[in-house]
Amino acid sequence: NAGVTQTPKFQVLKTGQSMTLQCAQDMNHEYMSWYRQDPGMGLRLIHYSVGAGITDQGEVPNGYNVSRSTTEDFPLRLLSAAPSQTSVYFCATCPTGSSYEQYFGPGTRLTVT
Amino acid sequence: KNEVEQSPQNLTAQEGEFITINCSYSVGISALHWLQQHPGGGIVSLFMLSSGKKKHGRLIATINIQEKHSSLHITASHPRDSAVYICQETSGSRLTFGEGTQLTVNP
Repeated sequence: NAGVTQTPKFQVLKTGQSMTLQCAQDMNHEYMSWYRQDPGMGLRLIHYSVGAGITDQGEVPNGYNVSRSTTEDFPLRLLSAAPSQTSVYFCATCPTGSSYEQYFGPGTRLTVT
Repeated sequence: KNEVEQSPQNLTAQEGEFITINCSYSVGISALHWLQQHPGGGIVSLFMLSSGKKKHGRLIATINIQEKHSSLHITASHPRDSAVYICQETSGSRLTFGEGTQLTVNP
């Protein structure tokens, strides 16, 4: 099993560009989530999904879109990148709900200039 | 809004020392997690607690629901334990993280 994979590992964008961060899992987990990690702020929840076709906003959803058309994939879209979105992004999954052990992807380091 | 507070923010220890990292939260939770983030950035789940105590090797995690407090203990610390330790609470579908404790264990 590959577990949780994220692509790309690194990305540099110019202000205003759009892009999609990919997250895929092969563990058949229902719960998937996206976080951003910034120095001095800890991890913050952007969006999450409790199953295919169901998504909801987390703590910091502005500027990001998600969709969940399959159990395996949960892409995060930046519509118009801003320097404030420079961060490290982590995708994570749980078997069912967020009260279970989480499995994290390796992270994507994004820089917006 | 639930706040998760960790202490200390930074901790330096000598190899072999007993280490304690504390986590306090402000509202009722359904579960509390301890995570470890290595210098390379990867995050792994160490424990998930809803009550009592759990032990895995040299790591012990405890939670006191009444006091809204959890501790992570490391016995006989080793330089490979150097990492950031993150406390995370779960309430329904919402997750809140502490800012993390940077642990450095010197040989």
